Formats: sequence, structure tokens, C-alpha cells
Amino acid sequence: DAKTTQPPSMDCAEGRAANLPCNHSTISGNEYVYWYRQIHSQGPQYIIHGLKNNETNEMASLIITEDRKSSTLILPHATLRDTAVYYCIVRVLFGNEKLTFGTGTRLTIIP
Amino acid sequence: DAGVIQSPRHEVTEMGQEVTLRCKPISGHNSLFWYRQTMMRGLELLIYFNNNVPIDDSGMPEDRFSAKMPNASFSTLKIQPSEPRDSAVYFCASMTSGSTDTQYFGPGTRLTVL
Repeated sequence: DAKTTQPPSMDCAEGRAANLPCNHSTISGNEYVYWYRQIHSQGPQYIIHGLKNNETNEMASLIITEDRKSSTLILPHATLRDTAVYYCIVRVLFGNEKLTFGTGTRLTIIP
Repeated sequence: DAGVIQSPRHEVTEMGQEVTLRCKPISGHNSLFWYRQTMMRGLELLIYFNNNVPIDDSGMPEDRFSAKMPNASFSTLKIQPSEPRDSAVYFCASMTSGSTDTQYFGPGTRLTVL
């Protein structure tokens, strides 16, 4: 699976949009981009995933660049409960269902 | 659905003892994963099963670790004998194989080996 690079930490003011970047410059054409988060002491929680089109769900939006070498997870109105470690992962859809977690971005929402 | 269920939630044991961690995947899911999380190594995959068959156990640290999935609704991760360096949070996750579906994680078992 392609390697991802994320900033180790970010702060965001409560109520503002949190934009978390991820670089995956070696991504292959059949690899999806997945985002998970882990709130302290809990199991990782799925947020969103995409292949090449932008995606939106009730939790977040995922913007993938046209060349697919990077993406941004957007939490539109961050709350204190969004404080967590956010992981960007790329994985092949079929044949290898492993998730390889990197070190992620520790997002702190500031009141 | 109750989600992925793990037991126990906390386990404290002494070095040399056998430890068994248990996982019940979400009903209908046919892939199951065991992960370990430590401060030093982060979240790492130990083993995963597809239709109860181990597919990739390359992450299993050594022979002291073993995992089984006797049926679609139950899996165990056993450590025998346990060592202090095995102290970690162990997560189980499940999903439907061959889909864009996500992995759903359990709450984890925090293991402390004294």
C-alpha cells in the first residue's frame, strides 16, 4: 500500500472548519483514500473514503486532488468532541484488506 | 447492532501467565482483524481472517502469539507465556470482505503484564 504523510499535530478553533491534509504521492490507480479517527482510549472510527471524486457525508468532506497525490479532510464546524488523532490511509480495494496506520495528525479543538 | 464486542475490557496479569482475548465480530461480516496499539509502535495489524481462514499473520510478533477463529462469530487471540512488553491495547475489527466497506473497530482490551 502507498505511504501517507500527515502533519503530526494541528489546532483549530471551535466552530471553525478543520482542514487536515494528507500526502499520498505514490498512490496507485486502484487504491482508495480512507480517513479514520481515534478519540482517546477508543477504537478507531471510520470517517469517510474516496477514490477520485470528492465525497461528503454527515461527518466530513473529503477533497482529493485531480492527480490523487494528496487529499484534505474537512470537518466543517469543529467541536470539542472532534479532538482526536486522524489517520489518512490508502488501501487497495480487493485482494488486500489490511489497513496500515501511520502516526496520524493529532487535532486539538480549542474552545 | 451491538458492534464489535471484545472481552475482557481490561486484563492485568503476571509475566508467564497465559492470556486470552476474545472478539465477537458484527453479524454478517466475514473478515476479522486483530490490531495492537502501543505508544512506541502505534497501531499495527497482527493478523486477519477471511471466512474464518487466516490470510495474513505476518504481523504476529512471535510464537507466543496465536489466533483462532473457530466460527464466523468468534475469535480469540492468545499469548502464552505473556511478557511485560506485550502490554498494549488490543483491538479487534470486522468488515465485509471485497467491498468498499470500512472496518469497524471494537472498544479494545487493555492488557497489562506485570
